[in-house]
Amino acid sequence: DVKVTQSSRYLVKRTGEKVFLECVQDMDHENMFWYRQDPGLGLRLIYFSYDVKMKEKGDIPEGYSVSREKKERFSLILESASTNQTSMYLCASSLWDRGGGYTFGSGTRLTVV
Amino acid sequence: TQLLEQSPQFLSIQEGENLTVYCNSSSVFSSLQWYRQEPGEGPVLLVTVVTGGEVKKLKRLTFQFGDARKDSSLHITAAQPGDTGLYLCAGPTSGTYKYIFGTGTRLKVLA
Repeated sequence: DVKVTQSSRYLVKRTGEKVFLECVQDMDHENMFWYRQDPGLGLRLIYFSYDVKMKEKGDIPEGYSVSREKKERFSLILESASTNQTSMYLCASSLWDRGGGYTFGSGTRLTVV
Repeated sequence: TQLLEQSPQFLSIQEGENLTVYCNSSSVFSSLQWYRQEPGEGPVLLVTVVTGGEVKKLKRLTFQFGDARKDSSLHITAAQPGDTGLYLCAGPTSGTYKYIFGTGTRLKVLA
């Protein structure tokens, strides 16, 4: 089974802190993605990466950055956490061929206080 | 801009009833996926449909891709409480690795 593992299920951070969310996949997928999910707004793409050291902005990249130094690991960084970044964060991976869909991690529920 | 609209948004039914969820777009998709998401978890891929008119069955779930590849439906026969969750359709955007997701249908099946 393809597995996408997110390092934390729940996180509570203070406003202004730098926050790292880690995601690791074990099936050699080329593409990795970070989404946030909020009630009434659905899934919104923050950043994605189609290769090591490559990244592209999604629909809502402001306040976030990413790092992909190894193929299996994709990190999301909140440079200075704010309360409006309280959300469910979902990491996903997929093969290069675009047709097979995503494998998601279990999510990280982040609360910024 | 490619959009996927799902209907209904919410559905609450009794165990044993049948239901259909719809996913519609004005754009053509090369494939569509359906996911189910349980509370506090990430979405899990249920099926991918690729060919216009294709029908796929997964136990009590039947998925159909429209002939023109602009829409899809999910039919559940004899719903059970374990079917409760958020159902999402998704499809790849043209020329990119990104998928767009539908607005979601939140299903609750009462015992």
